[in-house]
This record gives sequence, structure tokens and C-alpha cells, in this order.
Amino acid sequence: SQKIEQNSEALNIQEGKTATLTCNYTNYSPAYLQWYRQDPGRGPVFLLLIRENEKEKRKERLKVTFDTTLKQSLFHITASQPADSATYLCALARGGFGNEKLTFGTGTRLTIIP
Amino acid sequence: GAGVSQSPSNKVTEKGKDVELRCDPISGHTALYWYRQRLGQGLEFLIYFQGNSAPDKSGLPSDRFSAERTGESVSTLTIQRTQQEDSAVYLCASSPRTGGSYNEQFFGPGTRLTVL
Repeated sequence: SQKIEQNSEALNIQEGKTATLTCNYTNYSPAYLQWYRQDPGRGPVFLLLIRENEKEKRKERLKVTFDTTLKQSLFHITASQPADSATYLCALARGGFGNEKLTFGTGTRLTIIP
Repeated sequence: GAGVSQSPSNKVTEKGKDVELRCDPISGHTALYWYRQRLGQGLEFLIYFQGNSAPDKSGLPSDRFSAERTGESVSTLTIQRTQQEDSAVYLCASSPRTGGSYNEQFFGPGTRLTVL
């Protein structure tokens, strides 16, 4: 069966360092992968999308990589700040009309320590 | 502009009662999704509406769950004869997705359902 694993339930990083979150999947061939941020009591907020034929995507202090051979995506936050503390979710979709539904990982709760 | 809204924000009900949850998507978004999120868990897909196509109901956990959508607007998720294991946050998302492109999903704040 399909499985999406995010490296750890919780990750503590010192402010200013780079936080790296991992998303691994099995029994799945996604067309694209998305990362979302979720704060307590709120719905997820979209951050980045990366397609299967893309190796890397950047947005400000965020960087996502996608390795379809390893079946893994890495999500990096550089120069981390306490405001980056949240739960980060990866989500995959097969894509194509009618296949847009996302399968989510369980999330990694990131805490940036001042 | 207005985002996705959901009502009620909180719902407490007794086991065996029916509940109805509402989602107002962003205007013009053709795709609408319902997810369930149990405490400390990831999001579990329930159902997906895309325009006038037949909905994808593959994630509904039992026949007690159903959802409707009026055209490309409001959607309601109904849970009949609620059970304690139905307690969760129910999230709705909409997307401008139409065939051929990959779009982000915009989530509402969720409805927290507690079944006593």
C-alpha cells in the first residue's frame, strides 16, 4: 500500500541554522509533490510545489528537492527564525485530470529555538 | 479576497446524532476537497469534487459519510449516526484546478467535531 513518511514527528533547530525535513514515499509514482505549513488550530497553507521532472525549487529562504530514484523530497529552511516554528506537511499527487487529490504525510513539528 | 470558510468552527454532538458541516470555497474554484485530521495525525482524504464530474468518494470511511456540492459553490459533509471515532477536525480545501495544471489547495480553518 502507499506510504508517506516524514522523518520525525518533532525537530528542534537553533535559530539561524538550516532546518532540513525529509519526506519519503513508497509504492507511489507522484507527478508532483507539495509542501504545506500548518499552525495550531489552522488549516494548512501551501508553500511550494515541485514536479517529478524538477530537481530543485526555491522560494526565498525555502528550498525543496525531489529525487524520484530515492523516492524522497527534502525541505530546507535556511537562516531559520522562531516564526518558522510550525508543523510541515508533504503531500503527493499522481496528477492529471481527476487525479489531483493529495495524499499527505503525518507532518514534522519544527521548533526553532531562539 | 475571501478565503475558504467553514462552519461551524466547533461542533459537539452526542453519539448517534447526525451532523452537517459546511464549506464555502473560494469563488471560481472548480475543485473542492474534504479531509479529516485526527489529533496529531496527517490529513486523510475523504472526497473530491471537480466541476460537474462525478465526485471521487474513494476516501469516505463508511456509508455514514456523504457529501454534496451545489454546482461550483457550497459543499456540505454529512455524518450520520456519529461515533466517537468520528471526532476530528474536518478540513475543506478548494483549488482553481482544471485539467492539465497542478495547483495548490487553499484550506479553510476546519470544523472541530467532538462526539461524546
